[in-house]
Amino acid sequence: DARVTQTPRHKVTEMGQEVTMRCQPILGHNTVFWYRQTMMQGLELLAYFRNRAPLDDSGMPKDRFSAEMPDATLATLKIQPSEPRDSAVYFCASGLVMDQPQHFGDGTRLSIL
Amino acid sequence: QKEVEQDPGPLSVPEGAIVSLNCTYSNSAFQYFMWYRQYSRKGPELLMYTYSSGNKEDGRFTAQVDKSSKYISLFIRDSQPSDSATYLCAMSDDKIIFGKGTRLHILP
Repeated sequence: DARVTQTPRHKVTEMGQEVTMRCQPILGHNTVFWYRQTMMQGLELLAYFRNRAPLDDSGMPKDRFSAEMPDATLATLKIQPSEPRDSAVYFCASGLVMDQPQHFGDGTRLSIL
Repeated sequence: QKEVEQDPGPLSVPEGAIVSLNCTYSNSAFQYFMWYRQYSRKGPELLMYTYSSGNKEDGRFTAQVDKSSKYISLFIRDSQPSDSATYLCAMSDDKIIFGKGTRLHILP
């Protein structure tokens, strides 16, 4: 079964540190999404790409978050500097088109102390 | 009003019961309707996927869409303890919007 792979699965770091999360989408999928999930807000869309080009990153705090897709097999989400309120589970998902079902990775559980 | 509303639960039912999970929405442009299941410490996985109104059945699961009422449902028959998870509805016009999820507990 093809899967979306996310690394690391868990990350604990101190406030102010840089955090980088990585995602390998399913081969052949040309849309990639980054979500943040919290109990209060549920799944929030942070950014998404089509054919490696960023289409919308309006869900991200621009001053500290950045998302890139350096090649078709790797998407990254960076937080610099990190803050305690960034603690959440971050999911990457990939799909074939924007409005069709997405396949999710198992997430990066991030704790900022 | 939020675009997608979903009762967070938790919903606890005895094993073997029929489970009904529901979402309401406000955007009449939504065309695709999905249900995802999320186990603890895992990513959401697609369970059911329907286009426009009507019913779709897959084993013990039935998805219903009523576009006139802006209401979708997921029914689980003969519920099992392994069905205990969070169920998220999702719908899309040009991009997918997720509900916050309903936590379901099936009691042995």
